[in-house]
Amino acid sequence: TQLLEQSPQFLSIQEGENLTVYCNSSSVFSSLQWYRQEPGEGPVLLVTVVTGGEVKKLKRLTFQFGDARKDSSLHITAAQPGDTGLYLCRTNFGNEKLTFGTGTRLTIIP
Amino acid sequence: NAGVTQTPKFQVLKTGQSMTLQCAQDMNHEYMSWYRQDPGMGLRLIHYSVGAGITDQGEVPNGYNVSRSTTEDFPLRLLSAAPSQTSVYFCASSRIWGADQPQHFGDGTRLSIL
Repeated sequence: TQLLEQSPQFLSIQEGENLTVYCNSSSVFSSLQWYRQEPGEGPVLLVTVVTGGEVKKLKRLTFQFGDARKDSSLHITAAQPGDTGLYLCRTNFGNEKLTFGTGTRLTIIP
Repeated sequence: NAGVTQTPKFQVLKTGQSMTLQCAQDMNHEYMSWYRQDPGMGLRLIHYSVGAGITDQGEVPNGYNVSRSTTEDFPLRLLSAAPSQTSVYFCASSRIWGADQPQHFGDGTRLSIL
């Protein structure tokens, strides 16, 4: 079974701090997506990264796709309470089954 | 815009009962899927469909059935509910299958099996 591992599992930081969360696998991805899920709702797409080494920015969020296409990171600058949520990465491993990572639950303390 | 609609939002069942979780989308999406979400385990794929009349198993299909008679609807059936099926269930759709295609999710069905 091919797995997407996310770390850390839980992260709680003060408002205004910076943070990075990770998504890793032992297998190569074709592309990778990051989603954010808020309590009581389904996940919502943040970004898709397709090319190894690619960097995408979404306001204070920076997404990077590893050169070897086996890992990705999400960096948040000056975290705000609105960033609180469950962050999930998603890919496939050369088949039709879209696999999600285990998630990082982020809490930003005002 | 309705998007992906799941019903019911909450359900409590007794062990051995059967039920159907409904999922409908109004975006004419070809690809639909069902996930279950349990603490610390992210979203696990139960079944998916790449178009009307075509379904296939995901990671955790045992105890669940699906059918796709129309593009819009993708119901998930629990045949004989077990406590291990207590979970939050999400239905998702995308225009076509593809790892780079965005998935649109419903708000989930919270299911408890006693």
